Amino acid sequence: DAKTTQPNSMESNEEEPVHLPCNHSTISGTDYIHWYRQLPSQGPEYVIHGLTSNVNNRMASLAIAEDRKSSTLILHRATLRDAAVYYCILRGNAGGTSYGKLTFGQGTILTVHP
Amino acid sequence: DTGVSQDPRHKITKRGQNVTFRCDPISEHNRLYWYRQTLGQGPEFLTYFQNEAQLEKSRLLSDRFSAERPKGSFSTLEIQRTEQGDSAMYLCASSPWTTGAANEKLFFGSGTQLSVL
Repeated sequence: DAKTTQPNSMESNEEEPVHLPCNHSTISGTDYIHWYRQLPSQGPEYVIHGLTSNVNNRMASLAIAEDRKSSTLILHRATLRDAAVYYCILRGNAGGTSYGKLTFGQGTILTVHP
Repeated sequence: DTGVSQDPRHKITKRGQNVTFRCDPISEHNRLYWYRQTLGQGPEFLTYFQNEAQLEKSRLLSDRFSAERPKGSFSTLEIQRTEQGDSAMYLCASSPWTTGAANEKLFFGSGTQLSVL
């Protein structure tokens, strides 16, 4: 499976933007980039995903590098409720090695200071 | 939409006992996944079902583990002869498999925390 690399931890202040990086230098042309986050004592929740173009939704924005070897999850104004572990995951189409299951790495622990 | 429900939330058992967990997916979701998570680690895939068919099992799923999804609705995960190394959070997720893996979104339950003494 194509692998992702994320920093172990990051810190932010409340109401400031947060940029969470993810490197995926071995990404294949058909891999989508998915982000999930896991709040304390809860299961992971879907945040956003994209293929090539930048994506926005109510939770976050996803900026994808032109060569697709890296991406950045952007939280525009961090709140205390955004403190969580953020996972960057590559998801292939049917027939690829990542078909069928979502493979989580270690993720980035985001701490938000009031 | 009440979300993915898992029961029980916590289970304490003695080594050697059998335990069974239940997962109720979101209604109409045809895919159901089981994951295991230990402290400080990301969730590890165990197995998944599409409707009632079990399509993939991880090598982590030893002979002591069995999962079922009769009738393609709720699922159970049973661990026989529990060991201390089985202590973990067991997470269930479901998804409406309609548009292919690339766009699939998983919805997770809050998990069952297993402690084996």
